[in-house]
Amino acid sequence: DTEVTQTPKHLVMGMTNKKSLKCEQHMGHRAMYWYKQKAKKPPELMFVYSYEKLSINESVPSRFSPECPNSSLLNLHLHALQPEDSALYLCASSQNIDRGYQETQYFGPGTRLLVL
Amino acid sequence: AQKVTQAQTEISVVEKEDVTLDCVYETRDTTYYLFWYKQPPSGELVFLIRRNSFDEQNEISGRYSWNFQKSTSSFNFTITASQVVDSAVYFCALSEGKAGNNRKLIWGLGTSLAVNP
Repeated sequence: DTEVTQTPKHLVMGMTNKKSLKCEQHMGHRAMYWYKQKAKKPPELMFVYSYEKLSINESVPSRFSPECPNSSLLNLHLHALQPEDSALYLCASSQNIDRGYQETQYFGPGTRLLVL
Repeated sequence: AQKVTQAQTEISVVEKEDVTLDCVYETRDTTYYLFWYKQPPSGELVFLIRRNSFDEQNEISGRYSWNFQKSTSSFNFTITASQVVDSAVYFCALSEGKAGNNRKLIWGLGTSLAVNP
């Protein structure tokens, strides 16, 4: 069983809707990530949080707004999305990102988003 | 620049066959990390293995084995006696070993493995 959970599993939204994706981990990790994955492509990094602070924003459009309320939770707020934003959104966590080596990232099951 | 190449886009085998998934990487760093992830149709990325550049020992885990060769910049993955449940997309990924917040995973394009009964 994955220790990173994501809700909802599926989401259909119109271009004028506001919705949120939620991610939770209980492994004591201090780094959390959002990825976007299109079909038949590798994941694309969107955001990284380290110790609840935004550490990396990969030039993601402002219609995606991340939030890290505490070390276990990560949200992605969606507003005025476009059909091309339809994808699998994956959350991941790792122990931290400030060590001198790459920590393993553990992924959740993802949210399949369809924007109509 | 860092790069990961998985030359095999799709592989189809019959159950019980052995199959090797290739991964070739490029990096200028002497310290780096290599990963394999499995992504079944359900979508979750499942971590399989992490290897650092100083550890060239091959690894075996059940039916899975990994061959790390720095001389050829390859980190190949072999599934022995494949099963239908092995059907998935497999990603190889690379990360440099620098400290700091800019470290990211560089992903290969993935190899889609179909194991047929």
